[in-house]
Amino acid sequence: GQQLNQSPQSMFIQEGEDVSMNCTSSSIFNTWLWYKQDPGEGPVLLIALYKAGELTSNGRLTAQFGITRKDSFLNISASIPSDVGIYFCAGHVNQAGTALIFGKGTTLSVSS
Amino acid sequence: GAGVSQSPRYKVAKRGQDVALRCDPISGHVSLFWYQQALGQGPEFLTYFQNEAQLDKSGLPSDRFFAERPEGSVSTLKIQRTQQEDSAVYLCASRQGRVGYGNTIYFGEGSWLTVV
Repeated sequence: GQQLNQSPQSMFIQEGEDVSMNCTSSSIFNTWLWYKQDPGEGPVLLIALYKAGELTSNGRLTAQFGITRKDSFLNISASIPSDVGIYFCAGHVNQAGTALIFGKGTTLSVSS
Repeated sequence: GAGVSQSPRYKVAKRGQDVALRCDPISGHVSLFWYQQALGQGPEFLTYFQNEAQLDKSGLPSDRFFAERPEGSVSTLKIQRTQQEDSAVYLCASRQGRVGYGNTIYFGEGSWLTVV
């Protein structure tokens, strides 16, 4: 089945640093979504992308839907301790929007 | 309700036991999803309902897994004869309509199943 390759697997950064993570796929995706999951919680949507080339910001977060529709990146600027968590990329491969495919996640640790 | 509610939050089952996990989606949401998340992995799709119709069950790992949503609201995921590899977090999610702008998928906190 479809797979999303998410990298890096983990990051250890200092507070105030910028962060970048990305996802690639062998298949074309119709949507790209970025989620954050805290321990013991379900994933929470951060940014949704629906068009190839789309660049969207949500506060300190910026994400882009790649032109080839096979990749996306998420940037976090000026990281703070509460950014700690696991970040997942996810996407729909079909217009019906049934199965949402997730990457394996990027674990972010921020030291103050 | 205000969000997707799942119960029980934690379940320990003996191998071979049947379990039932409940999901209360956001009121009025027509789409409902079940996902399985193993430790250290991303969620993996199990099944999808649009109202009471189960339109996609391609992710159910075996015929021991069964999901229903008889009245188009509450859903139950049933696992028969549980095995240790079934240990995971089972996430339920709902969406107001079809995919597209503004149709966000909201996740519950998950039901943590441990099979011993």
